[in-house]
Amino acid sequence: QSVLTQPPSVSGAPGQRVTISCTGSSSNIGAGYDVHWYQQLPGTTPKLLIYVNSNRPSGVPDRFAGSKSGTSASLAISGLQAEDEADYYCQSYDSSLSGSVFGGGTKLTVL
Amino acid sequence: QLQLQESGPGLVKTSETLSLTCTVSGGSISSRGYYWAWIRQPPGKGLEWIATIYHSGSTYYTPSLKSRVTISVDTPKNQFSLKLTSVTAGDTAVYHCARQVVSSTFWYFDVWGRGTLVSVSS
Repeated sequence: QSVLTQPPSVSGAPGQRVTISCTGSSSNIGAGYDVHWYQQLPGTTPKLLIYVNSNRPSGVPDRFAGSKSGTSASLAISGLQAEDEADYYCQSYDSSLSGSVFGGGTKLTVL
Repeated sequence: QLQLQESGPGLVKTSETLSLTCTVSGGSISSRGYYWAWIRQPPGKGLEWIATIYHSGSTYYTPSLKSRVTISVDTPKNQFSLKLTSVTAGDTAVYHCARQVVSSTFWYFDVWGRGTLVSVSS
């Protein structure tokens, strides 16, 4: 059971918009700690996709957008492309655990 | 360009100690403001943060593994290491090292090593 809760899977057709939720609690996201997102393409290493809630590292398309509100965060992917098919993980800091926590991951399928 | 490379045995026997090293190239492990971490991913499962270290020697551990884990740093060699004792099959995973960015409101991992698969078997 992960500290941050994500849906196991989401899907969408090419060109559509999908969102992935990440629900935390008062000891992590709700406590004001920032949320970050990672993309793991099949068979590859996780890659930082969004940092500090809504910032994109250089090279990440603006089709990817992050937001945070209350005890939750979301990753929105617009203009879905086949190459977006991957596992997506949210991550934050948890004060009760005094360390980093990840969501269980969400598998995005592009139909 | 910063690169991280994990090294160590790919097979460890049950109850023995898993030892891995991460070599940092293209940058200094003593760079101010950057921490260094180990993260693992069991086959087909999600990510788990294990431990973090600063070049000064400050360490942070995930509570569930704290009694079995030691992270250390060797600044002259630009390396940091992980030791996990009394391993079981449940410790079988791909182990990644990563650079960690830290502030008062966030921890995140911006550069990752490719990872190394460590299997635990009797």
